[in-house]
Amino acid sequence: GAGVSQSPSNKVTEKGKDVELRCDPISGHTALYWYRQSLGQGLEFLIYFQGNSAPDKSGLPSDRFSAERTGGSVSTLTIQRTQQEDSAVYLCASSGNSGGGTDTQYFGPGTRLTVL
Amino acid sequence: AQKITQTQPGMFVQEKEAVTLDCTYDTSDQSYGLFWYKQPSSGEMIFLIYQGSYDEQNATEGRYSLNFQKARKSANLVISASQLGDSAMYFCAMREALYGNNRLAFGKGNQVVVIP
Repeated sequence: GAGVSQSPSNKVTEKGKDVELRCDPISGHTALYWYRQSLGQGLEFLIYFQGNSAPDKSGLPSDRFSAERTGGSVSTLTIQRTQQEDSAVYLCASSGNSGGGTDTQYFGPGTRLTVL
Repeated sequence: AQKITQTQPGMFVQEKEAVTLDCTYDTSDQSYGLFWYKQPSSGEMIFLIYQGSYDEQNATEGRYSLNFQKARKSANLVISASQLGDSAMYFCAMREALYGNNRLAFGKGNQVVVIP
């Protein structure tokens, strides 16, 4: 079956612009995660969605970052007024969150964001 | 405090030889899961293997095995019979039940280059 997909694969933007990054999880997966991977910070958790519950936003680095998940499926991560330090690869993952087993997170290919 | 420690420098491995990647972790939780992911130059994070904190047997998946030493808080990955396609970054990650959100904490990664 199809894996996690993300778009765009690459995004170059100017400082101060807003960007939207999209994630389409594996069909049937109820949990969705956003992570950020940068050279200086490694892989950082950003936000977690589980079904219809309120998202866990504890990893978002500032209020310029927000995310939503529509219909329990596709998610959009929005970064407003982008800064150069936002340059990173943004990875999306989904899991079945069955409550048992491994609840393994499966990752998409990522969006490489470059802020000039 | 760093949750996952991967301190080995980049490694060169001869094709067909085995390689061990070190991972130590820090948690006060009794219930947790340990994961290894592979990230080739293409950027996608590929799930390799999972070990639950209550699992008595070391996990194995094909050529991958996890040497789990709970008292030492280590979860080393062993790749047997290395192949050229194993050249990648390898990340150890931990999920702690106490967070209730299944988020993963990642180590900095180990770079492996397999040489013919």
